[in-house]
Amino acid sequence: GAGVSQSPSNKVTEKGKDVELRCDPISGHTALYWYRQSLGQGLEFLIYFQGNSAPDKSGLPSDRFSAERTGGSVSTLTIQRTQQEDSAVYLCASRARGGTSPMNTEAFFGQGTRLTVV
Amino acid sequence: DAKTTQPPSMDCAEGRAANLPCNHSTISGNEYVYWYRQIHSQGPQYIIHGLKNNETNEMASLIITEDRKSSTLILPHATLRDTAVYYCIVRENSGGSNYKLTFGKGTLLTVNP
Repeated sequence: GAGVSQSPSNKVTEKGKDVELRCDPISGHTALYWYRQSLGQGLEFLIYFQGNSAPDKSGLPSDRFSAERTGGSVSTLTIQRTQQEDSAVYLCASRARGGTSPMNTEAFFGQGTRLTVV
Repeated sequence: DAKTTQPPSMDCAEGRAANLPCNHSTISGNEYVYWYRQIHSQGPQYIIHGLKNNETNEMASLIITEDRKSSTLILPHATLRDTAVYYCIVRENSGGSNYKLTFGKGTLLTVNP
């Protein structure tokens, strides 16, 4: 597609359930990021992928959070045993490269998945 | 943590220029200044970036001071659709830990009719 696509756009889940959030980056973009934005807050970095590997997982808040990327394309963020504090908008972004050339430094964001844990 | 300081909010009249300041007094020689904005309920959108020279594109102009310790994003003719949170970010482009965009709290620009 033309942009970064995230699904679902909205997800309501019960506390304790597992959820999977999907990100389809722009075709050919090797770098992929997940961010989280709680209501009224700034963007919180979660994890960075370069290809299929994740050199930086430092932002994942707990071991209930995990992410994978396959084929250098689609990424899935999984939250196990969801808690109410996990409620937020989860944003995915992709870039053409992992940050070497200024020509490829623009990050494109998806519209996000709004997760509500009740 | 963010390396930039921005005012939390600003107002601008529709049709006038909006000048959004950013302080980055600890910027290093190989760090670029980036601006993104986030319109309500949307993902952030890239606006412009620069190293030391002033830059202009179809969206905005970026003025960087000679000592590079501060910059100003200029929207020459603000419209109501420019109401958004504007983020100023500094970042390397030369490998290592340069991949991450660290967002601060940004400036909420409200364009009034």
